Amino acid sequence: GQQLNQSPQSMFIQEGEDVSMNCTSSSIFNTWLWYKQDPGEGPVLLIALYKAGELTSNGRLTAQFGITRKDSFLNISASIPSDVGIYFCAGANTDKLIFGTGTRLQVFP
Amino acid sequence: GAVVSQHPSRVICKSGTSVKIECRSLDFQATTMFWYRQFPKQSLMLMATSNEGSKATYEQGVEKDKFLINHASLTLSTLTVTSAHPEDSSFYICSASLGGRNNEQFFGPGTRLTVL
Repeated sequence: GQQLNQSPQSMFIQEGEDVSMNCTSSSIFNTWLWYKQDPGEGPVLLIALYKAGELTSNGRLTAQFGITRKDSFLNISASIPSDVGIYFCAGANTDKLIFGTGTRLQVFP
Repeated sequence: GAVVSQHPSRVICKSGTSVKIECRSLDFQATTMFWYRQFPKQSLMLMATSNEGSKATYEQGVEKDKFLINHASLTLSTLTVTSAHPEDSSFYICSASLGGRNNEQFFGPGTRLTVL
């Protein structure tokens, strides 16, 4: 099935650093969502974006819906150890979500 | 709010047996639920969309006779893996949608299936 391209594939950072990851698609979406998945768990919704150009924050997380509607990015500021996990973007035009390939984040103290 | 549960969390079965996985929306009614499969170190792949009171819609390449889906109520959907084989071993995750223009899906904790 179709997947969105996420980059980077993995990141190893030190606690306190800022993180940026992005998601790109060859087709446009009306909705962009960002999820975090811990090992052995289901994804948890972090941020939902519904409008091109929209910039939304949730605590230390900030995400933007690209103007072209073909991309989105997620920033995490001042990372902490519990930020460790896999971050997935997802795009939607109907009720179906198309997931990105994931970015694996490792935070070292 | 928007809590989704799955049961069991982990199941090990012999090849050829059938396994049923339940997905429940605990604090909201979900007209639509989704079933995903996730292999190690990979992303989530949608298997089927389950609508209450109607037949599920399966994604291309997913065998509907092997993965039986029943959505009997607004809070419960079940996935039955029939005649399971080792290649069916995977992490199965359900999600539920609030519907409307809101495309947000809330995910269950997943079920780890191991077929021996």
